[in-house]
Amino acid sequence: GAGVSQTPSNKVTEKGKYVELRCDPISGHTALYWYRQSLGQGPEFLIYFQGTGAADDSGLPNDRFFAVRPEGSVSTLKIQRTERGDSAVYLCASSLAPQGASYNEQFFGPGTRLTVL
Amino acid sequence: AQSVTQLGSHVSVSEGALVLLRCNYSSSVPPYLFWYVQYPNQGLQLLLKYTTGATLVKGINGFEAEFKKSETSFHLTKPSAHMSDAAEYFCAGYGGATNKLIFGTGTLLAVQP
Repeated sequence: GAGVSQTPSNKVTEKGKYVELRCDPISGHTALYWYRQSLGQGPEFLIYFQGTGAADDSGLPNDRFFAVRPEGSVSTLKIQRTERGDSAVYLCASSLAPQGASYNEQFFGPGTRLTVL
Repeated sequence: AQSVTQLGSHVSVSEGALVLLRCNYSSSVPPYLFWYVQYPNQGLQLLLKYTTGATLVKGINGFEAEFKKSETSFHLTKPSAHMSDAAEYFCAGYGGATNKLIFGTGTLLAVQP
């Protein structure tokens, strides 16, 4: 079956521009996560959606970053006034809904490599 | 704060040699631990996970890891390295009720012929 897909695979933009990154989760997965992986680092959590709502956005670095999931499926990560420090691979993952303290496996997409010149 | 620490950003082994990648976690991380592998220009793939039960966990591609609570460790091993094992490996812990993962900084494994 289809896994998590992300578009575009690569995005090059200029400093100060606005970008949108898209994530299509696995069908039926109500939980969706965005992570950012900078060069030489492990992925860092940005935001978590349960359905349409952002249940945890504690990882968003500042108010230039925003994400939506209006219909509880596809999600878009939006970055305003991009800076060179935003250059990274942005990963999306989806899972079945968390249930208490149990864990549901997260399935990752291939990522979008964002380069801000 | 919750954290996962990987010792050694680069590890090089010979083909056929033992692979040992080290991971330690802070005691505040719930005892759900994972190893992911990332091949160049690909997404993260789950190798194995520890949630409950047996502390020695077997994963795909011949990898295994042992959860040691007394040492707060979850090291990844493979008895005999293969060229196809060359990749970056990430240890991760489960960060609470929202299911978010906390990753280590990764270990790049090189396998020499």
